[in-house]
Amino acid sequence: DSGVTQTPKHLITATGQRVTLRCSPRSGDLSVYWYQQSLDQGLQFLIQYYNGEERAKGNILERFSAQQFPDLHSELNLSSLELGDSALYFCASSVTKGQYTGELFFGEGSRLTVL
Amino acid sequence: AQTVTQSQPEMSVQEAETVTLSCTYDTSENNYYLFWYKQPPSRQMILVIRQEAYKQQNATENRFSVNFQKAAKSFSLKISDSQLGDTAMYFCAFSTNAGKSTFGDGTTLTVKP
Repeated sequence: DSGVTQTPKHLITATGQRVTLRCSPRSGDLSVYWYQQSLDQGLQFLIQYYNGEERAKGNILERFSAQQFPDLHSELNLSSLELGDSALYFCASSVTKGQYTGELFFGEGSRLTVL
Repeated sequence: AQTVTQSQPEMSVQEAETVTLSCTYDTSENNYYLFWYKQPPSRQMILVIRQEAYKQQNATENRFSVNFQKAAKSFSLKISDSQLGDTAMYFCAFSTNAGKSTFGDGTTLTVKP
């Protein structure tokens, strides 16, 4: 158990809909990362937050948005969903200062299926 | 910008034998961290081994060891006495002190009985 919690684990929805994925980082971790992994593909970095502020942005579509709240949990919002958005969405957290080791702790992922 | 390259999309090895997965990276940073993560069929991402760039000694974790060549920017993973449970996708990753992480495209390893 990495200590990172993602909900929901599975989600099936239709094209054009909007969904929200939730992530609770490990206790004490200030950074949250979101990654997208399509079937049998690598990890595509979407976005990183540190202590509530956006730190880095990757290949995140304009239809997608994210935020990190004061309690450090994060949400990834996916709107106007398309079939190609079907993927496993990972959240990861890290300790960015103090005891930073560079290691990312991953949640179990949220599997999104768009029909 | 950092890049991580895994040149072997797929590899296979017989059970109990040794296999080496390759990884090269590019960075202008001097202090950084390198990792190998394993993603078994369950899709959970699991840390296999970590190496700090300032350490010359290669990291070892039981049957897993790395060959870290800083000047060549190479970070290969050696798996000894391969087991069926080692079948997974393996990702090489690089992290800076600023918290930016970059992953390679992965190598799918199949251990054959």
